[in-house]
Amino acid sequence: NAGVTQTPKFQVLKTGQSMTLQCAQDMNHNSMYWYRQDPGMGLRLIYYSASEGTTDKGEVPNGYNVSRLNKREFSLRLESAAPSQTSVYFCASYPRSGLGNTIYFGEGSWLTVV
Amino acid sequence: GENVEQHPSTLSVQEGDSAVIKCTYSDSASNYFPWYKQELGKRPQLIIDIRSNVGEKKDQRIAVTLNKTAKHFSLHITETQPEDSAVYFCAASLDYGQNFVFGPGTRLSVLP
Repeated sequence: NAGVTQTPKFQVLKTGQSMTLQCAQDMNHNSMYWYRQDPGMGLRLIYYSASEGTTDKGEVPNGYNVSRLNKREFSLRLESAAPSQTSVYFCASYPRSGLGNTIYFGEGSWLTVV
Repeated sequence: GENVEQHPSTLSVQEGDSAVIKCTYSDSASNYFPWYKQELGKRPQLIIDIRSNVGEKKDQRIAVTLNKTAKHFSLHITETQPEDSAVYFCAASLDYGQNFVFGPGTRLSVLP
């Protein structure tokens, strides 16, 4: 049981390049999330998907797109990377609303845009 | 929308002392409040959580208290150890887990 797996772990991009961060969970969770983490800023929600086939904007969606490919996979795409998108990106998943459940994070993807 | 504030941003304690981190939230409808510990270069991991129908929860050296009237909740770590050094995040959410909003984090340093 791998939990939440995200790739790549490290990536360096040039300004204007595009890339996709991949995320997959094997826990049959309904909800999936993409967060970015900057020093002193905590975790800020980029996009989330409450269930397969739905996506919604979070706090900082500009410059990103997402795809909930199926129940397992939720990808994050940077169409034209900017230095301001240098950050650590965390994918997360959550079973469903209800007692005893919590959010699980992937190991993170370190992205540098030069 | 929900807003979560967290204080202090940094905290240094001597090994064996207690540490307290406090968070306040804005949306009175929030009903689930987890705490995460993040070690350097690692993912955040849940250490304790509390639901809105409970005022206090304890797990060994860690406890969380919730004051719904004042809309704040706190993490208490007793008998701190060097391995407790990390960044701690609080969070608040509606519907027991959808739409988590995180605080900015507290960097705890436990000095030997």
